[in-house]
Amino acid sequence: NAGVMQNPRHLVRRRGQEARLRCSPMKGHSHVYWYRQLPEEGLKFMVYLQKENIIDESGMPKERFSAEFPKEGPSILRIQQVVRGDSAAYFCASSLTWTGSYGYTFGSGTRLTVV
Amino acid sequence: GNSVTQMEGPVTLSEEAFLTINCTYTATGYPSLFWYVQYPGEGLQLLLKATKADDKGSNKGFEATYRKETTSFHLEKGSVQVSDSAVYFCALSEITQGGSEKLVFGKGTKLTVNP
Repeated sequence: NAGVMQNPRHLVRRRGQEARLRCSPMKGHSHVYWYRQLPEEGLKFMVYLQKENIIDESGMPKERFSAEFPKEGPSILRIQQVVRGDSAAYFCASSLTWTGSYGYTFGSGTRLTVV
Repeated sequence: GNSVTQMEGPVTLSEEAFLTINCTYTATGYPSLFWYVQYPGEGLQLLLKATKADDKGSNKGFEATYRKETTSFHLEKGSVQVSDSAVYFCALSEITQGGSEKLVFGKGTKLTVNP
């Protein structure tokens, strides 16, 4: 039973390029969360999605960032026109139910470096 | 808003020493509280949790008690091992506008255990 799969593990982009981060939740999980970890910081909530729906994107920057979780396939976090400040580790988590009180299952993350 | 404050690291201990990592929180209501551990290059793993006041979470020799009166959830272990070297994150759950729960994390405490 595979856990939460994220790819790529490492991603290098030049300023102005696009970054696409993928997350496949655990089998049977239909709730996906994206978190960002800046250097020397804890994780910060970005967005919560269910299949084909964005439920809460209150933590997403207003520009350049978008997320989707289609009916088929992985969830995608897309960052357009990346800047140096986007360099961070991006973690995806999934859960079986609407509540995370049972603790999410996190993926190993994608470490984005913008040069 | 809700927040979590952890003791600053790094913490360096010798094997078999006693470990305490302090965590206090500010929250409305009664959130669930968590400790997550992050080993180098990996995602976060749930270490333990407590969902109401006076609950004690425990796992792998680690324990933490939900103290409402002091708004604390300190992590303790009686005898640490080299394999416990990692970054430890305290977190609380917060209800989102969509009715789900998201996690609010502290900045993390890096623990190094020397043989």
